[in-house]
Amino acid sequence: KQEVTQIPAALSVPEGENLVLNCSFTDSAIYNLQWFRQDPGKGLTSLLLIQSSQREQTSGRLNASLDKSSGRSTLYIAASQPGDSATYLCAVKRDTSGTYKYIFGTGTRLKVLA
Amino acid sequence: DAGITQSPRYKITETGRQVTLMCHQTWSHSYMFWYRQDLGHGLRLIYYSAAADITDKGEVPDGYVVSRSKTENFPLTLESATRSQTSVYFCASSESKRGYTDTQYFGPGTRLTVL
Repeated sequence: KQEVTQIPAALSVPEGENLVLNCSFTDSAIYNLQWFRQDPGKGLTSLLLIQSSQREQTSGRLNASLDKSSGRSTLYIAASQPGDSATYLCAVKRDTSGTYKYIFGTGTRLKVLA
Repeated sequence: DAGITQSPRYKITETGRQVTLMCHQTWSHSYMFWYRQDLGHGLRLIYYSAAADITDKGEVPDGYVVSRSKTENFPLTLESATRSQTSVYFCASSESKRGYTDTQYFGPGTRLTVL
């Protein structure tokens, strides 16, 4: 059974720091991995999606990497800002034909201090 | 561009009552999903739909019913609400095209409390 873990559960950093959020999954047979941002009381916003054949994706100050063999993905945030404060979730899609199911981690709650 | 909307945003009901949560998307996306989010469990898939009249169970389908008679609507019904169904419910949609990503777009959520 696929399990997705995100450590740490919470992180507090000063503004301007570069930081890395981690996501681990137990079954390397994934179709893709997606990183989301969730603001308090709001829905999720997709940040980056990495297909299983890709190693990384970049969008602005965000860079996500994927290492299927080790069951890991990282989300790198450069020059963090207070507006980056949110909960970040990763989700993996199973590599099983006929299904369309994402397994989510429980998230890392990030606070960037001004 | 309305995107994806959910109603109601907040709902309080009593054990045993039937409750329907509504989800509407304006993009004509093929796929739609219902998730619940609980502390310590993250998001868990309840049901999903690949197209109108095509639905399938997710990870935690018991106690829920879905239908999809129109592409843009995907209501979720709790036939007899229980306290364990107190949660935040999210609807999402995705356009699945060959060569395109499976990016999911989420609604704002419905906070349901079952007393």
